[in-house]
Parts: sequence; structure tokens; C-alpha cells
Amino acid sequence: EAGVAQSPRYKIIEKRQSVAFWCNPISGHATLYWYQQILGQGPKLLIQFQNNGVVDDSQLPKDRFSAERLKGVDSTLKIQPAKLEDSAVYLCASGLGVTDTQYFGPGTRLTVL
Amino acid sequence: AQSVTQLDSHVSVSEGTPVLLRCNYSSSYSPSLFWYVQHPNKGLQLLLKYTSAATLVKGINGFEAEFKKSETSFHLTKPSAHMSDAAEYFCVVKPFQGAQKLVFGQGTRLTINP
Repeated sequence: EAGVAQSPRYKIIEKRQSVAFWCNPISGHATLYWYQQILGQGPKLLIQFQNNGVVDDSQLPKDRFSAERLKGVDSTLKIQPAKLEDSAVYLCASGLGVTDTQYFGPGTRLTVL
Repeated sequence: AQSVTQLDSHVSVSEGTPVLLRCNYSSSYSPSLFWYVQHPNKGLQLLLKYTSAATLVKGINGFEAEFKKSETSFHLTKPSAHMSDAAEYFCVVKPFQGAQKLVFGQGTRLTINP
């Protein structure tokens, strides 16, 4: 069974630039999550989708972050404009349902200079 | 509020010796508890989970954890460490079984000495 795919794996940008990350969940998984993991900390949930609807985006900085999951499959997370403090690993996870085990992708490491 | 405290930021053991990674949680309800492992440049992998069945949970790669409600603990153990166990380990709580959000601890970095 293929796992959660993410791209790119690494990205380096200047502050105030824009960046987008892509996630392809495990086939058949209705729930998709984006997490932010700052160096030395545990992951923090940014947004959760159930199919193509948002379930929880309470910790998403909506002035600069946006996410979508068109057609309830792939998802993109965008940052515009980026700040230095956005440097982190962005993890995507998926699950069959909201109460089921979450399976994580390899992450995208973002460095903002 | 629900939270997770991993009591050691770094644990170092010799190969072949036991591993103990400590985790305490706070939850107002009957939580689900998990341990995830993260190898360098890899995604998080589920080691084991507790969901109110047996209090001693066995996971992959010889790891196990015991849920102790009286101590609000969920410590991770392995009888004999292997070099491949070197990684970051996260204790995670889902506040109650119908909850949607995972709350992660800060992580414990496990180093294995030859």
C-alpha cells in the first residue's frame, strides 16, 4: 500500500516570498491533516479536512496560510507571504476517518531566509 | 485542557540494554494514547496505541507501553536496544476516543551507543 506522498521534500525561500506544498493521501482516506513541526518541538495541527470540507482550522494563521482539498483527494498548503518563523517541517497525514489512526508523510522542510 | 509531558528530552543507552522513555498525560476523559517514532528525514510512524482495551500494549519492533491511570503515565519500553532504534519518539494523546485532534509531546531523542 502506497503511503502519504508530499512534495517538495525541501524548499528554501526568502522572507515575503510565497510557497506551496502538495500532499497526496493514502487512497480511500477521507481525513487529511496538515501539521507544522518547528525544530525541537512536537507537530502542531494547522488544519484538518474531512473529504473536501474543513473540520478544524483554529490554529491556522489565516492572514498568511491557506489550504484547500479540491475533490477530496490531494491537498495544497500555501504560505503568502512567508516569515522567518515559518521555518519548519510541514507534515501531511491522512486517515480513514476522524477517529482512526493517522498515517504521516515524510514532510517538507521549509527554510525561510 | 489536555496535554502530554515527555519527561526526558534526550535518552542515551548502550546497544543491548533496556530502553525507557517516560510520558505523563493529563486528560479529563478516558484518552487514547499513542507513541510515534520519527527517523531522520522520515515521516512519523505509529509504534503502538492504547484505546481502553488491555493496559499493556505491544507495538512494532519489540516496543511496548503500559497505561497506568493512577499515575497518568504511558511509558515506552524495550528490553534490548538496537542501533536502528536511534530516533525521535513522540508520546501523543487523543483526549477522548471520539476526539479528532492529536496532542503531541515535545519528543525524546533516543541515542544508542555501540
